[in-house]
Amino acid sequence: AQSVTQLGSHVSVSEGALVLLRCNYSSSVPPYLFWYVQYPNQGLQLLLKYTTGATLVKGINGFEAEFKKSETSFHLTKPSAHMSDAAEYFCAVSRIQGAQKLVFGQGTRLTINP
Amino acid sequence: DAGITQSPRHKVTETGTPVTLRCHQTENHRYMYWYRQDPGHGLRLIHYSYGVKDTDKGEVSDGYSVSRSKTEDFLLTLESATSSQTSVYFCAISEAGGRTDTQYFGPGTRLTVL
Repeated sequence: AQSVTQLGSHVSVSEGALVLLRCNYSSSVPPYLFWYVQYPNQGLQLLLKYTTGATLVKGINGFEAEFKKSETSFHLTKPSAHMSDAAEYFCAVSRIQGAQKLVFGQGTRLTINP
Repeated sequence: DAGITQSPRHKVTETGTPVTLRCHQTENHRYMYWYRQDPGHGLRLIHYSYGVKDTDKGEVSDGYSVSRSKTEDFLLTLESATSSQTSVYFCAISEAGGRTDTQYFGPGTRLTVL
C-alpha cells in the first residue's frame, strides 16, 4: 500500500531563506506524487505534481520538487521564502487501483519570520 | 478557481442528530470526493463518486453515507453525529479520476459535534 511521510510538522524559516519541506513515500509501483498548499481558512490548491518524465518539477509561486527514486523522496523547495508562503503544505501519492485516491501526508506548517 | 461551493461553511450540532453537508460544482467534472481533515492526519478520504448514483467507500467511511443524484451535487450525511466526527470536511472534484488528474478542492465545512 502507498503511504507518505512528511518530516517535520512545523518548519520555520526567515524571509529570503531557503525553504525545504521533506516528503518520503512508499509505493510498490512507480508513484504519482503531488504537493498541495493550504492557506489559512481555505481549501487545498495544487502546487505541482510528478507523473513521468523530468524528475525536477516546477510549480506555482516559485516552488519546485525533485523526484528521487533511489531515496523515495519528493522534497519541496523554494530558493527564497516570502511572507506570503506561510501556509500548510501537504504531500500526497496517488493510489494504484481504482479511481484516483490520494493518500496524504500529515502536513507541514510553514512559518516565515520577518 | 474551480467552481466548487460547500454548504454550510460552519455548523454546530449535538450528538445523535443527523447532519447533511452539500458540495456543489459548476465544472461538470465526473469525479467528486469527500475528505475530512484532522490535525496530525492530513486529509483522509471518506467517500467518492464516479458518476450520478455511482459511489464507493474511502478509508474512513464508517458513520457516513453519500448520495449523488445530479452531476453537480454530492451530499455527505452523518446519520447520527458523534463527537469523533468533529472535523473540517472538504469536497474535491476531478475531471476523469485518473491517477495523474488534479483534484480541485472546495473551501471546506467546519463541523462541531457537541
